[in-house]
Amino acid sequence: DIQMTQSPASLSASLGETVTIECRASEDIYNGLAWYQQKPGKSPQLLIYNANSLHTGVPSRFSGSGSGTQYSLKINSLQSEDVASYFCQQYYDYPPWTFGGGTKLELK
Amino acid sequence: QVQLKESGPVLVQASETLSLTCTVSGFSLTNYGVIWVRQPPGKGLEWMGIIWRNGNTDYNSALKSRLSINRDTSKSQVFLKMNSLQTDDTAIYYCTRDSGFITTAGYFDYWGQGVMVTVSS
Repeated sequence: DIQMTQSPASLSASLGETVTIECRASEDIYNGLAWYQQKPGKSPQLLIYNANSLHTGVPSRFSGSGSGTQYSLKINSLQSEDVASYFCQQYYDYPPWTFGGGTKLELK
Repeated sequence: QVQLKESGPVLVQASETLSLTCTVSGFSLTNYGVIWVRQPPGKGLEWMGIIWRNGNTDYNSALKSRLSINRDTSKSQVFLKMNSLQTDDTAIYYCTRDSGFITTAGYFDYWGQGVMVTVSS
């Protein structure tokens, strides 16, 4: 199974700041990576797929990049509504689909 | 519009069987795969299993001996059954849809609200 490692586990940032979350796969996943946002008390929501494609309706301040085993999610100009946990998920090799451990983003 | 909604008991005794239903609308189960994912309180997401468009299933190897997923396409419902529950099965259980139409995308575009299941000893 492909293991996904996310960093950092938690993050505190100020409004308007740029935030980057990293995700590392245990082997090459050839851009088969998605990012999800989970607001407190809510279900996860798809943000990005294919490592860098924005899902319908997701604000353009979110972007994804990376290749091979290293991927990142960037949030430009952090807004209060971006306070959430973020999870990466690989789908290059499944089953099983595997998720990163999550990054909890809070406001400073 | 596309919706998924989980239903089932919120409290289950240890060693008993959990039965959950995912009722979907806005799409056909013969065109999309449906996946079950769970999340222990304050923790990450764990893929449990999938029922594919053709009705075949795959399960997380760690749960395979205890888990079964099936469906009733006429009622647009997917069922999860997991036996021999333990306290570490306490989690929010979500059903979600693979985003691929008549294919498999591998990522999940619509999620249910989740149901919090507590396993009591």
